[in-house]
Amino acid sequence: NAGVTQTPKFRVLKTGQSMTLLCAQDMNHEYMYWYRQDPGMGLRLIHYSVGEGTTAKGEVPDGYNVSRLKKQNFLLGLESAAPSQTSVYFCASHRRGTSEGNEQFFGPGTRLTVL
Amino acid sequence: AQRVTQPEKLLSVFKGAPVELKCNYSYSGSPELFWYVQYSRQRLQLLLRHISRESIKGFTADLNKGETSFHLKKPFAQEEDSAMYYCALRGTGNQFYFGTGTSLTVIP
Repeated sequence: NAGVTQTPKFRVLKTGQSMTLLCAQDMNHEYMYWYRQDPGMGLRLIHYSVGEGTTAKGEVPDGYNVSRLKKQNFLLGLESAAPSQTSVYFCASHRRGTSEGNEQFFGPGTRLTVL
Repeated sequence: AQRVTQPEKLLSVFKGAPVELKCNYSYSGSPELFWYVQYSRQRLQLLLRHISRESIKGFTADLNKGETSFHLKKPFAQEEDSAMYYCALRGTGNQFYFGTGTSLTVIP
């Protein structure tokens, strides 16, 4: 049981390049989230999904797109990377319902640098 | 507005001293609050949630609706408690709002 995994762990991009971050979970969770973590800003929600085929905007969605084609995967795309998107990106998931009190399980993070 | 505020970015205490990490929230409904911890080179993990009223690793947190607070407390800090602590609020539409975090250092 791997939990939540993220690919890649590190990436360096040039301004204007595109890339996709992959999040995968093997816990059959309905909800999945993408956050960015910046010094002094804490975690901010980018996009999230409440089920396969559905996505919604979070607090800081501009410059990002997401897709949830399969229940276990949640992809975060940067179409044209900008230096302001240099950050550590975390994926998280949790089960629907209140039996676990909505505990989120986090991935190890992806450190992205945009030059 | 839904918001979580952690006023202390850095907090240092001596081993064996009490520790309190402050968290205040803004939410119009009945809040669901959490404390997450991130130890060095590890992923974020749940420490405790108010709905369970549990004590984990000696930490407790009480929801005070009058003061809109959910402060994290431990009577005797240990060196292994040094970490980054985040307070989080589950808001409407299953969005989660995190505070900016408090970095706790326990001095031997």
